[in-house]
Amino acid sequence: GEDVEQSLFLSVREGDSSVINCTYTDSSSTYLYWYKQEPGAGLQLLTYIFSNMDMKQDQRLTVLLNKKDKHLSLRIADTQTGDSAIYFCAESGGGYQKVTFGTGTKLQVIP
Amino acid sequence: DAGITQSPRHKVTETGTPVTLRCHQTENHRYMYWYRQDPGHGLRLIHYSYGVKDTDKGEVSDGYSVSRSKTEDFLLTLESATSSQTSVYFCAIGGAANEQFFGPGTRLTVL
Repeated sequence: GEDVEQSLFLSVREGDSSVINCTYTDSSSTYLYWYKQEPGAGLQLLTYIFSNMDMKQDQRLTVLLNKKDKHLSLRIADTQTGDSAIYFCAESGGGYQKVTFGTGTKLQVIP
Repeated sequence: DAGITQSPRHKVTETGTPVTLRCHQTENHRYMYWYRQDPGHGLRLIHYSYGVKDTDKGEVSDGYSVSRSKTEDFLLTLESATSSQTSVYFCAIGGAANEQFFGPGTRLTVL
């Protein structure tokens, strides 16, 4: 079945860039997503990318997609303490199709 | 934030009792989902709905049932709660790119 994998933990210093990586197995993925979850809250959609795109930028966030290697990354520029959270990668075939979530990467920002 | 509310936000119940969790949306979205989130398992889909009275099972549906009598409400029922159903439950609505917008969650403890 589909699988989405992420590293469990990332620590960065405030002001540095963070890069969170994700790999997925489903070659028919149509959409790939990044979500953020703060303690005690639901997941918040940050951005998503259509599979025919290589890159998407939205303010401090840059998503890179390497479809050949099935690798997705989220870069956060000028990381702030408010960016500390768990970040989930997810993929879907689009339409209604199941969304498969990774287990999340906990980002710790050190002041 | 998308207009999604969940009730109750916290519940403690005893093994063997029925429990109903409610999800309410004001976005008029067709697709609604129930997930559970557990450490080490990420998010797992319990049931989903693609319209009024139209529902289907997800990957962990045993012991759960759902109903959707109105577009705005999606109910999740634990028919006879067990300790293994202690979890955080999230409702979500789906957008055109199958992006998910999540509610704040319900923390359920089954003693």
